[in-house]
Amino acid sequence: GESVGLHLPTLSVQEGDNSIINCAYSNSASDYFIWYKQESGKGPQFIIDIRSNMDKRQGQRVTVLLNKTVKHLSLQIAATQPGDSAVYFCSWDYKLSFGAGTTVTVRA
Amino acid sequence: EAQVTQNPRYLITVTGKKLTVTCSQNMNHEYMSWYRQDPGLGLRQIYYSMNVEVTDKGDVPEGYKVSRKEKRNFPLILESPSPNQTSLYFCASSLSPGAWAQHFGDGTRLSIL
Repeated sequence: GESVGLHLPTLSVQEGDNSIINCAYSNSASDYFIWYKQESGKGPQFIIDIRSNMDKRQGQRVTVLLNKTVKHLSLQIAATQPGDSAVYFCSWDYKLSFGAGTTVTVRA
Repeated sequence: EAQVTQNPRYLITVTGKKLTVTCSQNMNHEYMSWYRQDPGLGLRQIYYSMNVEVTDKGDVPEGYKVSRKEKRNFPLILESPSPNQTSLYFCASSLSPGAWAQHFGDGTRLSIL
């Protein structure tokens, strides 16, 4: 079956530091990748996406990196804030496999 | 405001009593989907629909039914709920899931006693 792996289930980060969340996928034909954020009591929300013809895309305080050679996706959050505390999911492909996510906790 | 609306948000019921969770979207999206979320298992897809009258099984369809008679609505039906269907359920919609992100509802927490 396909890998839906996120490398670490939890990440604790000091407020103001940068965060990096990683994700591995196994389908080399995947064309579209998305990062979602899920806050407590809410549904997942879109953060940023990237298509396979790119290797980097930047948003507001977030950057997604795509390494197709090793089938690796990462989300970088700059100057992490308390509001960034949430579960983060990577997603790809038609059926949108999500996995268990990475829980990010921001320390004051 | 673009949104996916689920009802009810919370429900406690008993084994065997049929229930329906409604889902409605106002974005004219063709694709809709249902997921369940359980601790440690992440989000798992139950059913999805590519368009009106077109539905297909996801990864965990057993015990569930869906229908797509109108573009905006995609109800999830539990004909005979059992305790192992106690979970947090999310409905989502997308213009095209392979090319656009999904919009999620705020979830329905079901407890089957």
